[in-house]
Parts: sequence; C-alpha cells; structure tokens
Amino acid sequence: QQPVQSPQAVILREGEDAVINCSSSKALYSVHWYRQKHGEAPVFLMILLKGGEQKGHEKISASFNEKKQQSSLYLTASQLSYSGTYFCGTALFSNTGNQFYFGTGTSLTVIP
Amino acid sequence: DGGITQSPKYLFRKEGQNVTLSCEQNLNHDAMYWYRQDPGQGLRLIYYSQIVNDFQKGDIAEGYSVSREKKESFPLTVTSAQKNPTAFYLCASSTPRTGGNGYTFGSGTRLTVV
Repeated sequence: QQPVQSPQAVILREGEDAVINCSSSKALYSVHWYRQKHGEAPVFLMILLKGGEQKGHEKISASFNEKKQQSSLYLTASQLSYSGTYFCGTALFSNTGNQFYFGTGTSLTVIP
Repeated sequence: DGGITQSPKYLFRKEGQNVTLSCEQNLNHDAMYWYRQDPGQGLRLIYYSQIVNDFQKGDIAEGYSVSREKKESFPLTVTSAQKNPTAFYLCASSTPRTGGNGYTFGSGTRLTVV
C-alpha cells in the first residue's frame, strides 16, 4: 500500500526543472507532499484532495490526476535551497490513522 | 510559536535497556504519531493515537510501547524486545482528518544502540 515514488534521486543545476511522481494502485482520498533536509524534520508543502487538482505557486506546484491515483510535484527554476528529500504521503480514506503511507522518497540535489 | 518538541535529539542505549523518547505538542492537535525512518525506506508508522487514552498499532509496533495520558504528550518507549532499534524517530501530529494542514513533525530523535 506504500506509494511508489520516482525517480529515487535526481541531480539538477540551478535553474533547471524537475518532476517527482507518486503513484498508487488504489484511488486515494488525498496526497501530501513533504520536503526533508538532512537530519531535520519533514516539512509539509501541500495537500491535494480533488481529482484533476493543481496546486502551488510558480516555483513549486503539484497535480493530482483525475483517477486520484497519481500525483506529480513540479519544481521549476530550481534553487540551491530546494535540495533535500521529497516524500509523498497518501491517504486511502478520510479518517486515516493507519491508512496513511509515505513513499520511499526522492533525493533532490541542486548544484551551482 | 506552536509546534512539536522531541527530546533528546541524540540518544545512546546499551543493548537490553529500555529508553523513552519524549514528544510534546502545543498545537491542540488530537492525533499524534510515531514514525521510524531508516535510510532508503521512507517513514514507517509505529503507533498512532487519535484521542487521549487511546492508541493503535501501526505497521511496525513490535518492540515499542506508547501512552497518551495527556493531549499534548505522546512518549514512545523502545524496549529491549526491539531487535534493531538504531534509527531516526519522528513524532508528528495532525487534525483528526488528514486534510488541509497535513502533518506537523518534530525535529526527531536519533537513537543509537551501543
């Protein structure tokens, strides 16, 4: 039930774009995105609830497909501060104490 | 400022000893969670609690115990029965339904068995 994230790792130069994908075999209630710097706590970026939804701002945004089984995180014109590990978290039901799973993460490194 | 405080940041334990990791939140969240993070494996749920005096096992509860006597506090005990306890432990909290505000995480406790 753990969502599948891809790619596992990506290296970018400043100013380049990246896409991180998160897929589930079942339709989801919601998908979350988090960023974690090394040795720190994950930080919540955004949540998507509706099929077909797109959210975020110009630099970091995310989409949720119509079937609610796949989400993508878009990082545009990357900056050094974007480096970290990105996790998606997926909820199968609205009250999801034990039905919420994190992906294995995508390591993103931005170099000058 | 509201948030989650975990202590200690680093903890060393001898084999055969129990240790307790502290987690306190002042966000007035009903739900609290403990996750274990190992390299390359993401976050795995140990225990969670949605109301005071009630908690449920997650996917990897064996060798761990928790209590929830107060809304603000959700300590985790790593017992000697946990075979491989060296890991990074994260406490989190949320509103009861995981919508809108996501999970707020503490800064974590790194436990090493020596």
